[in-house]
Amino acid sequence: AQSVAQPEDQVKVAEGNPLTVKCTYSVSGNPYLFWYVQYPNRGLQFLLKYITGDNLVKGSYGFEAEFNKSQTSFHLKKPSALVSDSALYFCAVRGLMDSSYKLIFGSGTRLLVRP
Amino acid sequence: NAGVTQTPKFQVLKTGQSMTLQCAQDMNHNSMYWYRQDPGMGLRLIYYSASEGTTDKGEVPNGYNVSRLNKREFSLRLESAAPSQTSVYFCASSEAPEAFFGQGTRLTVV
Repeated sequence: AQSVAQPEDQVKVAEGNPLTVKCTYSVSGNPYLFWYVQYPNRGLQFLLKYITGDNLVKGSYGFEAEFNKSQTSFHLKKPSALVSDSALYFCAVRGLMDSSYKLIFGSGTRLLVRP
Repeated sequence: NAGVTQTPKFQVLKTGQSMTLQCAQDMNHNSMYWYRQDPGMGLRLIYYSASEGTTDKGEVPNGYNVSRLNKREFSLRLESAAPSQTSVYFCASSEAPEAFFGQGTRLTVV
């Protein structure tokens, strides 16, 4: 069975500092991995994805994520946080061989960036 | 280009009432999904439709039914609403690999 764990309910950082939001996954075979962001009272917006290739993927708004196959992790990172990055972040996984394309989500991590 | 459109945006139901949440996408995607979002539990898959004419249960299907009316539309029905179904419901569509989400329906069952 596929699953995603986001071990931190909340991450707090100061503006200008680097941020990391953690994600680990479990899936049969190779994974597709995703990060989404949700602002208050809004739907989920796609940030970035890992399909294959380079372990470091770059996405929207200066975010990037590092895929680590041996640790089954896909942590979201940003070199310099902005107050406007404060939001709820979700990691998601899909099995490469899953023809239904359904995504399994983690429980979410709330990022709070202090001015 | 509207993407994924959900109606209504807000709804209050009494216990035992029924209602249908509507979802339409204009991206010509084959796959569509219904998720519910509850605090601390992330998004859980209720039902999905991998292609027109097919539907399958997800993680939490009890109390719900779905209809894939055509390639564009995928509706979610609550036959007899219960307070445990108070949640935010999201519809999504995908051709692969990422999914695109609607703005959500906030449903309260009293």
